[in-house]
Amino acid sequence: NAGVMQNPRHLVRRRGQEARLRCSPMKGHSHVYWYRQLPEEGLKFMVYLQKENIIDESGMPKERFSAEFPKEGPSILRIQQVVRGDSAAYFCASSPPGRTDTQYFGPGTRLTVL
Amino acid sequence: TQLLEQSPQFLSIQEGENLTVYCNSSSVFSSLQWYRQEPGEGPVLLVTVVTGGEVKKLKRLTFQFGDARKDSSLHITAAQTGDTGLYLCAGGSSGGSNYKLTFGKGTLLTVNP
Repeated sequence: NAGVMQNPRHLVRRRGQEARLRCSPMKGHSHVYWYRQLPEEGLKFMVYLQKENIIDESGMPKERFSAEFPKEGPSILRIQQVVRGDSAAYFCASSPPGRTDTQYFGPGTRLTVL
Repeated sequence: TQLLEQSPQFLSIQEGENLTVYCNSSSVFSSLQWYRQEPGEGPVLLVTVVTGGEVKKLKRLTFQFGDARKDSSLHITAAQTGDTGLYLCAGGSSGGSNYKLTFGKGTLLTVNP
């Protein structure tokens, strides 16, 4: 079984540009989570999605950040008008049905904002 | 806000030694996960413990969840160089949002040959 897939692995953007991060969950998993890891910080929960539904976005910054998990295709984390403080590693995780606390992580996308 | 404190922050030992790392909180968690993360990679799930007092073994690794579900420990017997990595604990929030994992900052383990 393929694990959680994320792309790109590395993304460089200039201030003001948009960043799109993609995540494909493990086969059979319908729950997707996004976390952010800032330098010298632990992973922080951002959002929990199921197909076509945002379940909990309490960890998402109120502006510029959005997430979706469409019926077809990968989950997308979108950051508009990026700033230097958005530079971080963004991880996606997925979980099997009925075990939302057992999360399997992808390799992450390292976003660098110049 | 739930917090998880991991100790020690850094640990450097010789191959063959035993070690224990700790994960502590003042909050109760519905479950606790241990992960290992290599540089430039995502965390790899090692174990999930859900019952207070639960002990799980995974080859040379022994995981224990505290009776009150506020703390956990990871014990490695006869460490090998391949055990080197960042060990993270993560707690599932209680009260219906167990998907919202709270992570500690990790213990960076170096096993020297």
